[in-house]
Amino acid sequence: GESVGLHLPTLSVQEGDNSIINCAYSNSASDYFIWYKQESGKGPQFIIDIRSNMDKRQGQRVTVLLNKTVKHLSLQIAATQPGDSAVYFCAENYAGNMLTFGGGTRLMVKP
Amino acid sequence: NAGVTQTPKFQVLKTGQSMTLQCAQDMNHNSMYWYRQDPGMGLRLIYYSASEGTTDKGEVPNGYNVSRLNKREFSLRLESAAPSQTSVYFCASSSLRRETQYFGPGTRLLVL
Repeated sequence: GESVGLHLPTLSVQEGDNSIINCAYSNSASDYFIWYKQESGKGPQFIIDIRSNMDKRQGQRVTVLLNKTVKHLSLQIAATQPGDSAVYFCAENYAGNMLTFGGGTRLMVKP
Repeated sequence: NAGVTQTPKFQVLKTGQSMTLQCAQDMNHNSMYWYRQDPGMGLRLIYYSASEGTTDKGEVPNGYNVSRLNKREFSLRLESAAPSQTSVYFCASSSLRRETQYFGPGTRLLVL
């Protein structure tokens, strides 16, 4: 899920399938991570967060996995629905600094 | 409970004009932020206010000023708008500086 400037990476999935959105973060000292969902014309919406003392956290239909060894974060969405179509951003935070946002991945759900 | 609100929703300016973007939050958050988002890009921090009475520059502060009017309100001012400032501007707030940020709906600004 890395940004390539104007062309967002896109993940296209069939309705009902599971989606996995990936994010590589930059700082090995980051200790707090957030996933946001942004629908067209709206502001980013908090989905789920995880701290570095955890490897996995589950919410309603969503799971975040953290692999600190390779600095990788993923968001899994179960039974993807048309309403899940949006751009998904990961964000990282390390001590004393602001959130740093990734470029985003566009999720498209085919009916 | 409205969360984070922003005004205006849309604005068209001519080069050199000034304007102020308003942001308010009703969550009793200490920290507030201004971001810009350009097409296909992530969010870039312009300015932030860690607590009432303090403001600091973010990644892209040039051409902008901010005022933390009180705990609820944080405004962003463009003194002399330039076409490069055409963007979508988001305000956000968080309880503490390192915690989850909650975003407003955005202001779409076009500078001609």
